[in-house]
Amino acid sequence: NAGVTQTPKFRVLKTGQSMTLLCAQDMNHEYMYWYRQDPGMGLRLIHYSVGEGTTAKGEVPDGYNVSRLKKQNFLLGLESAAPSQTSVYFCASSYWSTGTYNSPLHFGNGTRLTVT
Amino acid sequence: EDQVTQSPEALRLQEGESSSLNCSYTVSGLRGLFWYRQDPGKGPEFLFTLYSAGEEKEKERLKATLTKKESFLHITAPKPEDSATYLCAEGSSASKIIFGSGTRLSIRP
Repeated sequence: NAGVTQTPKFRVLKTGQSMTLLCAQDMNHEYMYWYRQDPGMGLRLIHYSVGEGTTAKGEVPDGYNVSRLKKQNFLLGLESAAPSQTSVYFCASSYWSTGTYNSPLHFGNGTRLTVT
Repeated sequence: EDQVTQSPEALRLQEGESSSLNCSYTVSGLRGLFWYRQDPGKGPEFLFTLYSAGEEKEKERLKATLTKKESFLHITAPKPEDSATYLCAEGSSASKIIFGSGTRLSIRP
């Protein structure tokens, strides 16, 4: 099994350009997440999805959009990139949570995005 | 607002020198306390989940423990290959997991 696969691995954009980051998981997980990781700030949740066709905002959603048209895929879009969006983006997935407990996240290896 | 605080930010140890990393969390209804290891250029790799105070989990030289407001990752007789950033995270709602900033661990041979 590949687990969680992210494409591309690296990307450089100019301010104002758009792009889509792709995430695919082969573990039949219900939940999927997009995080960004910046030095000294840890992982911050951008958007997440609790099932096919659903999305919700996380801690830092501004400037990003997402779609979950198929259970195994979760797409993150930047419509008009800004230098503040230079970061490492991680996709993660997990099984559904019970009424009391969360399941652990399984991460991809990230996309390193630079916006100039 | 739920928050996860890890200390120290960085820790340098000699090979074989045992120590502990700390993770403090604020959520009142903990839905899981998670530990991850992250190597440079890689995504976080899941290590442990703890669900209730008093619970302990072990894997090789690592042992994770949980109290009502803290978790500790104990590293016994570490080796250079244990060098990595260790992340702690709390489950704060059914669909949200909040991460701390991590502890960068360096083990000198």
